Amino acid sequence: QVQLVESGGAVVQPGRSLRLTCGASGFPFNGYAMHWVRQAPGKGLEWVAVLWFDGTNKNYVDSVKGRFTISRDNSKNTLYLQMTSLRAEDTAVYYCARDAYTFESGRLDYWGQGTLVTVSS
Amino acid sequence: EIVLTQSPGTLSLSPGERVTLSCRTSQSISNNYLAWYQQKPGQAPRLLIYGASSRATGIPDRFSGSGSGTDFTLTISRLEPEDLAVYYCQQYGTSLPYTFGQGTKLEIK
Repeated sequence: QVQLVESGGAVVQPGRSLRLTCGASGFPFNGYAMHWVRQAPGKGLEWVAVLWFDGTNKNYVDSVKGRFTISRDNSKNTLYLQMTSLRAEDTAVYYCARDAYTFESGRLDYWGQGTLVTVSS
Repeated sequence: EIVLTQSPGTLSLSPGERVTLSCRTSQSISNNYLAWYQQKPGQAPRLLIYGASSRATGIPDRFSGSGSGTDFTLTISRLEPEDLAVYYCQQYGTSLPYTFGQGTKLEIK
């Protein structure tokens, strides 16, 4: 069965960096686009970034452009989110999610359980 | 950015009742690329409906979706206690960024 397991969440100070990891199993990882979606405490869902199956195309929500980088290692079945210049408003549970399509459809058919990032001094 | 507005914010109903949740979008959604997700307390979201009306794998047939253009609806034909959750709509495939509604919280009496 499809499994997505996020890790790397932590408490970090504003301005610092953090890298999140999402390990995938149960499906051909190199055949699907992947996303990061976040949810601030007690709030709704916010799409963050997407990366095509082969890593050739990526997109971000405006609020993280220039600060976050999505990447993947298909040989390790792993998705990453490198976050720099973190702000208090980046505090959230970060979910990785599988796109239903190879390139990018935006339909998110499987989700991990999430990892909590807290940005606080 | 396409804004999605869900109503009502909170709904409290009894088991067996019919549930209707609304999602309105600020622009017309191409190809009905509108999805619904269910998020139970303490859990990750789960895809329920895509393409406005297609059920995702393993979703009970008491869940159905309808609508087009800017008005979409999620219906639960007979409410079950395990349907306690927040429900989100999402537009995809029309324009970036992919956006979600603010959610409707469904409470069971």
